[in-house]
Formats: sequence, structure tokens, C-alpha cells
Amino acid sequence: GNSVTQMEGPVTLSEEAFLTINCTYTATGYPSLFWYVQYPGEGLQLLLKATKADDKGSNKGFEATYRKETTSFHLEKGSVQVSDSAVYFCALTRRNTDKLIFGTGTRLQVFP
Amino acid sequence: DSGVTQTPKHLITATGQRVTLRCSPRSGDLSVYWYQQSLDQGLQFLIQYYNGEERAKGNILERFSAQQFPDLHSELNLSSLELGDSALYFCASSVGRAGVGEQFFGPGTRLTVL
Repeated sequence: GNSVTQMEGPVTLSEEAFLTINCTYTATGYPSLFWYVQYPGEGLQLLLKATKADDKGSNKGFEATYRKETTSFHLEKGSVQVSDSAVYFCALTRRNTDKLIFGTGTRLQVFP
Repeated sequence: DSGVTQTPKHLITATGQRVTLRCSPRSGDLSVYWYQQSLDQGLQFLIQYYNGEERAKGNILERFSAQQFPDLHSELNLSSLELGDSALYFCASSVGRAGVGEQFFGPGTRLTVL
């Protein structure tokens, strides 16, 4: 079946550190891949997306590249801020469906 | 603000009861999705409606039902509630029927079953 696997959290970093949150997927066909972010007490917001192999999604300094050969979509940011503290969800949708299949989420805590 | 509204924000009820959660999608969005977020199950897709018709079903219990009305708002009905139904319920909306469109999430309804 289709699934998303994320690294366990929490990830604890100091401000300005480099961030990587690993995400791998299992899917038939060519899924679209997403990173959503959930700030405390809020709903999910789309952070970035990629719809085909080798696409790079980017937003607010975050980047992720759709790697078909390794079935991965790792999230990276060069210099995190305290305001980036949130839970990050990797997700996919298959072609011709809409439902998002989420990973378990990774909590990021950034300290000054 | 995503433009998706959900009411109520919090709901506390007892086992065996029935509740209704309401969602208004963004203006112009035809698809509405319901998701459940719990500590043990994570974020799970429940059901999708497109322009009033059921489009896809996920891990939705038979005790749960949903509908989308002509004005495109949606309601999720949860009945015979159990302690394990305590969770955050999110509604999301998108423009299209299928594909790669972004889903916009509401702030959620936190359901507590005592």
C-alpha cells in the first residue's frame, strides 16, 4: 500500500543550525509529495510540494527534492529560527486521488 | 488564516452521545476533506466530498457519517461516541476534484469524550 515514513522526533536544534528531516515513501505510480507544518494550536499549512521526480519544492528557506530513485523527500533548511518550532508532516497523494497520506510527524524544537 | 472555518473549536461530551462538527470551505473550493488526528493513529483521512457527492472514503468508522450541502459546507456526524474517538478533527478544502491541488486546512475541532 501507500505509506510515508518520517524520522522520529523531537528534533532539537540551536538557532541558525542546519535542519534535515528525513522522509521516505512507498507508493504505486508517481505520487505528488508535500511537506505540511503545524504550529502549536493551529491547523496544517502547506509548506512546499513537488509533483514529479527531480522537482525541488521550496518556501521560507525550506527545500525538499523529489528523489524517485531513493523514494525520498527530505526536508532541509540552512539556518533554523526559533519561529520554525512546529510539527512537520510529510505526505503524498497518488494520481487521480485527493486524499493525503501523512507520515507520523516530526516535532522540531529550536532554542535560542 | 486559511479561509476554512470549523465549529465548534472544542467539544466535550460523554460516551454514547452524538455530535456534529461543521466545516465551511474556502470560497470557490468544491472539495471538502475530513481528517482525524489522534496520538495513537496520527493523521488519518476519513472522507472526501466533491460538490455534494462522496468522492473517496478512508478509515471512517460506520458510526461516523458526513455530508456536503448545496452551499458546500460540510458536517461530520459522530455517534455512539467512545473514549477512543477523542481527537482533533480537521476539515480541509481544495479547488479541484483530483490531482495535485493544495488542500487548505481549518483550525480543527478538538473532541473530548469522557
